[in-house]
Amino acid sequence: AQSVAQPEDQVNVAEGNPLTVKCTYSVSGNPYLFWYVQYPNRGLQFLLKYITGDNLVKGSYGFEAEFNKSQTSFHLKKPSALVSDSALYFCAVRDDSGAGSYQLTFGKGTKLSVIP
Amino acid sequence: SAVISQKPSRDICQRGTSLTIQCQVDSQVTMMFWYRQQPGQSLTLIATANQGSEATYESGFVIDKFPISRPNLTFSTLTVSNMSPEDSSIYLCSVETAGSYNEQFFGPGTRLTVL
Repeated sequence: AQSVAQPEDQVNVAEGNPLTVKCTYSVSGNPYLFWYVQYPNRGLQFLLKYITGDNLVKGSYGFEAEFNKSQTSFHLKKPSALVSDSALYFCAVRDDSGAGSYQLTFGKGTKLSVIP
Repeated sequence: SAVISQKPSRDICQRGTSLTIQCQVDSQVTMMFWYRQQPGQSLTLIATANQGSEATYESGFVIDKFPISRPNLTFSTLTVSNMSPEDSSIYLCSVETAGSYNEQFFGPGTRLTVL
């Protein structure tokens, strides 16, 4: 079975400071990892993904994430936070164990608040 | 990418009634999915909508409660049957295109409140 943990319900950061939203995962095969953002009353928007290759993945709106296999983590980062980054962030994983399952398992979400 | 629309965007329904949610995509897609996001919770996959055959339901979800149709490669419906207040959630459609390589695109969601 696959699972995702986002240990922080909420992260507060001052505008202009770097931000990190944490995510750890558990899969039996190789992980496909994703970050999505949800703004109020909106659907989910894709930010970035890790499938294979470089451990540092760059995505939309200046976000990046680092895949760490030994720590089974995929933390989301941004060097300088904007107030407009305030939203709900979801980490998700899919297990490429060859079973053909397309199921994405989502973390519970982390609410990011960027303080002006 | 894909542009996805859902109808209705929100609804308030009475206990015991049913609501059908529509999902329309602007291009043909290989995979379509239905998720539920309960208040303050994460997303849970309800089922994979298969074109031309019965949907594949995840554990805890059954066809009698959540019948799904997918008549073609751009359209799907999810019905929430015999609703109770516990069904109050946001229901999201998502798709995966042939070229997206594991990336799912989500619709804006349907916010359902059951009284």
